[in-house]
Amino acid sequence: QGQVVQSGAEVKKPGASVRISCKVSRNIFNAYHIHWVRQVPGQGLEWLGVISPSRGSTGFPQNFQGRVTLTKDTSTATVYMELSRLTSHDTAIYFCARDAVASDPLTYGMDVWGRGTAVTVSS
Amino acid sequence: QSVLTQPPSVSAAPGQKVTISCSGTSSNIGNNYLSWYQHVPGEAPRLLIFDNNKRQSWIPDRFSGSKSGTSATLSITGLQTGDEAVYYCGTWDNSLSAWVFGGGTKLTVL
Repeated sequence: QGQVVQSGAEVKKPGASVRISCKVSRNIFNAYHIHWVRQVPGQGLEWLGVISPSRGSTGFPQNFQGRVTLTKDTSTATVYMELSRLTSHDTAIYFCARDAVASDPLTYGMDVWGRGTAVTVSS
Repeated sequence: QSVLTQPPSVSAAPGQKVTISCSGTSSNIGNNYLSWYQHVPGEAPRLLIFDNNKRQSWIPDRFSGSKSGTSATLSITGLQTGDEAVYYCGTWDNSLSAWVFGGGTKLTVL
């Protein structure tokens, strides 16, 4: 019920892109916005953006616009986060998380989180 | 530098009470709902408090949240060793049009 399951760890070279998947329970896929958040080692949580699976609309913080792409595949109830032009500073754990309230997104936070996907950027 | 300001660490003995502060501005905490998260490294973060002071149904009433103006507080009473984690506050920022988090507060139960 209301689960999100993320893809496995990735190792990438600087300059490459990484795409992480987040499979959402079908019964909630079109109802709830899905956020992406990361934690760089030794640092706090950082919001990367949000997608509305029902509409496909997205929103990003200014510092990630142009580098983060969020997409969805309705047939598999999966959302994807692609981060381009990777540097060592992008080494982090990446989480997808469900918005807490379907009818009032971006208001009450994130209540269901994936276990995280480790991304390592190294030459 | 996080938009919301939290103390880096707090500590207390088992059974005691601890409070964690979260300070912001009218662009974020002052005009939006605040939520609190518990994150044990290696695990998924957990939403503890939403809408400033409402607990998730499975969160014990030892955890409580409050908000006043542009600041908020998470209180944990009857501390247990299992409460050791990093705690984050978060809210929407109207000026940035972005969700923002505090820098996190590491709780140590001595």
